[in-house]
Amino acid sequence: NAGVMQNPRHLVRRRGQEARLRCSPMKGHSHVYWYRQLPEEGLKFMVYLQKENIIDESGMPKERFSAEFPKEGPSILRIQQVVRGDSAAYFCASSQRTDTDTQYFGPGTRLTVL
Amino acid sequence: GENVEQHPSTLSVQEGDSAVIKCTYSDSASNYFPWYKQELGKRPQLIIDIRSNVGEKKDQRIAVTLNKTAKHFSLHITETQPEDSAVYFCAAIMFSGGYNKLIFGAGTRLAVHP
Repeated sequence: NAGVMQNPRHLVRRRGQEARLRCSPMKGHSHVYWYRQLPEEGLKFMVYLQKENIIDESGMPKERFSAEFPKEGPSILRIQQVVRGDSAAYFCASSQRTDTDTQYFGPGTRLTVL
Repeated sequence: GENVEQHPSTLSVQEGDSAVIKCTYSDSASNYFPWYKQELGKRPQLIIDIRSNVGEKKDQRIAVTLNKTAKHFSLHITETQPEDSAVYFCAAIMFSGGYNKLIFGAGTRLAVHP
């Protein structure tokens, strides 16, 4: 049973370009969470999605950031017009449920904005 | 609002000593408390978790204790080894925004010196 998969593992973008990060949850998991981690800092919650629904996007900037989890395929975190401050590690986690259920993390995508 | 406080932020011990990391939470209804270990450049990995119906759980050299009255829980690592060096995050489930949300502490950077 494969774990949570993320790709790409490393992504380099120039300012103003778009970054698209993908996350495939563990088999049987229908809940996906995205976190951002700046160097030497903790995990900052961004957004929680279930299939075809955004449940909580309170941690995601209102502009330039969007997320989706379509009926088929991986969850996508999209950052438009990237700026240097977007450089970070972006982790995706998945769980079977939200209620007392374990979240398992993917290996992360390290985004570098030049 | 929901909050998880974690202390200390950094901890340095000699190999073979014990290490203790403490967390407090704000929601008395919280009933699930996982601990994650994150090595440099890697994903957070679940190392142990505890549910509110027990007060202590052990797995080899690591143990977690929970005091629901005081709303705090702790991670204990005995006979520390250099490979225990990492950042450790505690978390607690809290009802927020209409669903049960996992709230993370800020992390503890543990250094085990040979």
